[in-house]
Amino acid sequence: KNQVEQSPQSLIILEGKNCTLQCNYTVSPFSNLRWYKQDTGRGPVSLTIMTFSENTKSNGRYTATLDADTKQSSLHITASQLSDSASYICVVSPQGVSKSTFGDGTTLTVKP
Amino acid sequence: DAGVTQSPTHLIKTRGQQVTLRCSPKSGHDTVSWYQQALGQGPQFIFQYYEEEERQRGNFPDRFSGHQFPNYSSELNVNALLLGDSALYLCASKGGSGSYNEQFFGPGTRLTVL
Repeated sequence: KNQVEQSPQSLIILEGKNCTLQCNYTVSPFSNLRWYKQDTGRGPVSLTIMTFSENTKSNGRYTATLDADTKQSSLHITASQLSDSASYICVVSPQGVSKSTFGDGTTLTVKP
Repeated sequence: DAGVTQSPTHLIKTRGQQVTLRCSPKSGHDTVSWYQQALGQGPQFIFQYYEEEERQRGNFPDRFSGHQFPNYSSELNVNALLLGDSALYLCASKGGSGSYNEQFFGPGTRLTVL
């Protein structure tokens, strides 16, 4: 069964600090992995997408890594801002037309 | 470009009633997917429409049905509402059915079943 596990479930950090969110998956055969940011009451917005051959991809202060061998990904947020407070969802897609699998997300709270 | 739009924003229904949610995809997109998101959880895939046909379906009962119109807009219908159907319903669109194509999500419809 395809699964995506995210950790931690929630995280509180102070403004300006860095943090790392984790995503482990069992989706196979792997096609791509996306990280989404979802603000409260809004739809998710894509931050990065990574394929099998990509190890690192950055989008501003967000840097995603992928280890396809261990089936793990991380999202590192640098110099956090209050606006980073949101849920971060990892989504893994298999090859072919099968549906993507969503994680339950990590809720990040950035405090001043 | 308005992006993906959904209506209504909020909806309150009672058990046993039926509800229809609407979605207009982002301009140029022909594939629409619907998701149910309970509080504190990730979105759960309901189904995907492409070329006016249901192409994929998640683990949802037949009470959940949908439709895609020639202009690519879509409806989600839920019959015989249960308390457990209370959730945020998200619509997402993309160009083509390939998994690499980015999905753009709408703001969602918050459904409350009393």
